[in-house]
Amino acid sequence: QQQVKQSPQSLIVQKGGISIINCAYENTAFDYFPWYQQFPGKGPALLIAIRPDVSEKKEGRFTISFNKSAKQFSLHIMDSQPGDSATYFCAAYPSNTGKLIFGQGTTLQVKP
Amino acid sequence: DTEVTQTPKHLVMGMTNKKSLKCEQHMGHRAMYWYKQKAKKPPELMFVYSYEKLSINESVPSRFSPECPNSSLLNLHLHALQPEDSALYLCASSQGRQAAYGYTFGSGTRLTVV
Repeated sequence: QQQVKQSPQSLIVQKGGISIINCAYENTAFDYFPWYQQFPGKGPALLIAIRPDVSEKKEGRFTISFNKSAKQFSLHIMDSQPGDSATYFCAAYPSNTGKLIFGQGTTLQVKP
Repeated sequence: DTEVTQTPKHLVMGMTNKKSLKCEQHMGHRAMYWYKQKAKKPPELMFVYSYEKLSINESVPSRFSPECPNSSLLNLHLHALQPEDSALYLCASSQGRQAAYGYTFGSGTRLTVV
């Protein structure tokens, strides 16, 4: 069964700190790994994404680290801000099925 | 235009009502999706349309009926829903089923069944 396991379920970080969310997958047919940010009452918004032939991708304060051999990838939010408080979902996309597989989500709270 | 637009934003309907959710995108995406999301859970895939044809139906009850009138529009027709169907319904689109580039979600329709 295709799964993406995400941890932690919830995270509290002080303003200015680093938020780290981890995901692990089993299926090697995944070829696209996006992260989504979702605020209450809104749809998920694409934050950053990576392909398995790249080990790291950085966009502003957000960085994805990808370890293909360990089948793990993580999101790092540098200099976390209260406005980053949201639910974050990692996901994986297997092109052979066309179904985006989501992790269970991490609720991030950044304290001022 | 890089958005997926969903209407209405909120909908309250009785169990005997018939209503429709609408989704529109003008990014030239050829794959469109319906998801259902319960509180504090990830989105669950319901239907996938690829080039205006239904390609995936995730064993969704027949009280949910999708329709893709053209490459920019996606509808979800609702009939005889149950209270447990109350959820956030999300539409998404991507360049194609075989490419997740630009996989974009709308803001959703908050559905309440009474």
